[in-house]
Amino acid sequence: QSVLTQPPSASGTPGQRVTISCSGSSSNIGSNTVNWYQQLAGTAPKLLIYSNNQRPSGVPDRFSGSKSGTSASLAISGLQSEDEADFYCAAWDDSLNGVIFGGGTKLTVL
Amino acid sequence: QLQLQESGPGLVKPSETLSLTCTVSGDSISRSSYYWGWIRQPPGQGLEWIGSFHYSGNTYYNPSLESRVTISIDTSKNQFSLNLSSVTAADTAVYYCASGVGKLLPDYWGQGTLVTVSS
Repeated sequence: QSVLTQPPSASGTPGQRVTISCSGSSSNIGSNTVNWYQQLAGTAPKLLIYSNNQRPSGVPDRFSGSKSGTSASLAISGLQSEDEADFYCAAWDDSLNGVIFGGGTKLTVL
Repeated sequence: QLQLQESGPGLVKPSETLSLTCTVSGDSISRSSYYWGWIRQPPGQGLEWIGSFHYSGNTYYNPSLESRVTISIDTSKNQFSLNLSSVTAADTAVYYCASGVGKLLPDYWGQGTLVTVSS
């Protein structure tokens, strides 16, 4: 069981806005920054959001991240069929002294 | 643009040592701004961090794997390596090498390599 809790699945129709949550604790999200990764089928994860809410160059502004207390969220607006993927949150955990990942959320575009 | 490429055997026997190498291109592995590490993903499952290091010598391992893991660096070849000893079928996974700019969370990922543990 992952230290960071994500819903196993999420869905939406094209054009909709979808949010994915990532719940942690004071030793990880509460005191460190969060990254989000997108993993398309059969490919390596790709950095989507870093430092809670920053987008790397090339990532559309349809993707946004936020953090409040011990939880973080990824929002995808204007949902497109090519957004269908697995999404993972990650943070450093001060108690485990290591990087931890959420269990992943499978996004389906209906 | 930093690029990482994993290489190594795709099949390892139980109780033996899994050894993988990550070749870095696009920048020097000894540049102080980077952290380097390994992450794995069992088939159909989520991501698990194995360990990371900085060129300065600081090394961090997943406590659940620490007794079996060694990560080393070869600056002359701009590579770093993973050794995981006493493997079992539970170690079957796609192994990724990765790099974080100024932090341990990965920014860049290799394409991954599948390692199967089977006799």
